[in-house]
Amino acid sequence: EDQVTQSPEALRLQEGESSSLNCSYTVSGLRGLFWYRQDPGKGPEFLFTLYSAGEEKEKERLKATLTKKESFLHITAPKPEDSATYLCAVQAGTGTASKLTFGTGTRLQVTL
Amino acid sequence: KAGVTQTPRYLIKTRGQQVTLSCSPISGHRSVSWYQQTPGQGLQFLFEYFSETQRNKGNFPGRFSGRQFSNSRSEMNVSTLELGDSALYLCASSLVARASYNEQFFGPGTRLTVL
Repeated sequence: EDQVTQSPEALRLQEGESSSLNCSYTVSGLRGLFWYRQDPGKGPEFLFTLYSAGEEKEKERLKATLTKKESFLHITAPKPEDSATYLCAVQAGTGTASKLTFGTGTRLQVTL
Repeated sequence: KAGVTQTPRYLIKTRGQQVTLSCSPISGHRSVSWYQQTPGQGLQFLFEYFSETQRNKGNFPGRFSGRQFSNSRSEMNVSTLELGDSALYLCASSLVARASYNEQFFGPGTRLTVL
């Protein structure tokens, strides 16, 4: 069974204090690893897809990396508006079926 | 391009009732997936529909069902509601043109409260 574990569960940073969120996974045949951001009461907002070990993607202050066992979401010089829950999900198996297995998320709070 | 829309946004029902939730995917997207989100279990996959056919199903009881119409719009139904069905129900759509284009885009969700 596919498993996704995110750490830490919660993280509090001061504005400008860079850090990383971890997502470790156990799947049979990874097709893609996805990062989402979710604000309270809203649906997850797509951030990145990573397909193979060594791949990196960046968007503003966020950078996602992927190895064979885990992914990291690096947040550089965060701002209060980066406060949200960050979710990691994997898509596994063959074919084009779209099932995502999610981790429980990291709640990030960025303070002034 | 309009995003995924879900109706209604909020619902309050009582135990034993049934409920139908609706989802309109992004224009051109052919796959619709449904997820249940609760504080204790996080996001859990319910089922996926593609070209009006259910092609993947999660570990939920038969009280949870869905369907997809020819225009890709989807509905999910929960019968005989239980207190534990209170959750945020999220719909996600994806293009599925090729295996590598399976990014899923989520709607705002329907908040279901069962009393």
